[in-house]
Amino acid sequence: SYELSQPPSVSVSPGQTASITCSGDKLGDKSAFWYQQRPGQSPVLVIYQNSRRPSGIPERFSGSTSGNTATLTISGTQAVDEGDYYCQAWDSTTVVFGTGTKVTVL
Amino acid sequence: EVQLVQSGAEVKKSGESLKISCKGTGYDFANYWIGWVRQMPGRGLEWMGIIYPGDSDTRYSPSFQGQVTMSADESISTAYLQWSSLRASDTAMYYCVSASNNGEGWYFDLWGRGTLVSVSS
Repeated sequence: SYELSQPPSVSVSPGQTASITCSGDKLGDKSAFWYQQRPGQSPVLVIYQNSRRPSGIPERFSGSTSGNTATLTISGTQAVDEGDYYCQAWDSTTVVFGTGTKVTVL
Repeated sequence: EVQLVQSGAEVKKSGESLKISCKGTGYDFANYWIGWVRQMPGRGLEWMGIIYPGDSDTRYSPSFQGQVTMSADESISTAYLQWSSLRASDTAMYYCVSASNNGEGWYFDLWGRGTLVSVSS
């Protein structure tokens, strides 16, 4: 079955840039999506179709893909950006979520 | 306001049946796919499947095929997720989601608040 791997955790200082990677076989040939889940809350879509931001998502969130890796970048990270982040893709007939990355703003 | 309103938390025992609901408001519910996502305690997200309320076309994740049943009643803009015989391992938060497809796959652009299901053995 298809798998998406993410680093378990990423730490970042306020105002700095956080990068979260998502690796999967031929991921660059697919669309990648990203969700933010703040503690105790439902997930929220922050990036769709690799690099597009839904309305209401701050410009500091951006996405890119290259080869087998999709990357979510948070520029000028703020304390409110703490939480878990999940990538997601579609493989054949199945939605696959990544393993999740906990972002800590120190 | 466009939202998905889920039913309240449930506490059940192994072997019991359960049906939880998700009501869509503020949009044309019948013509948008609804999905379900499981999150076990302290764990990640798992896709369960999707249903099209307009004709009840349903697609299950292989991992959940035969384990749950999805249904929808477009007349009351409500989707359902049900179990015929719960297990302790079904203990989780279940999210109702609005599913979109960009031609390259499904993604979820609106999430409900979740229904917490607790099953004791």
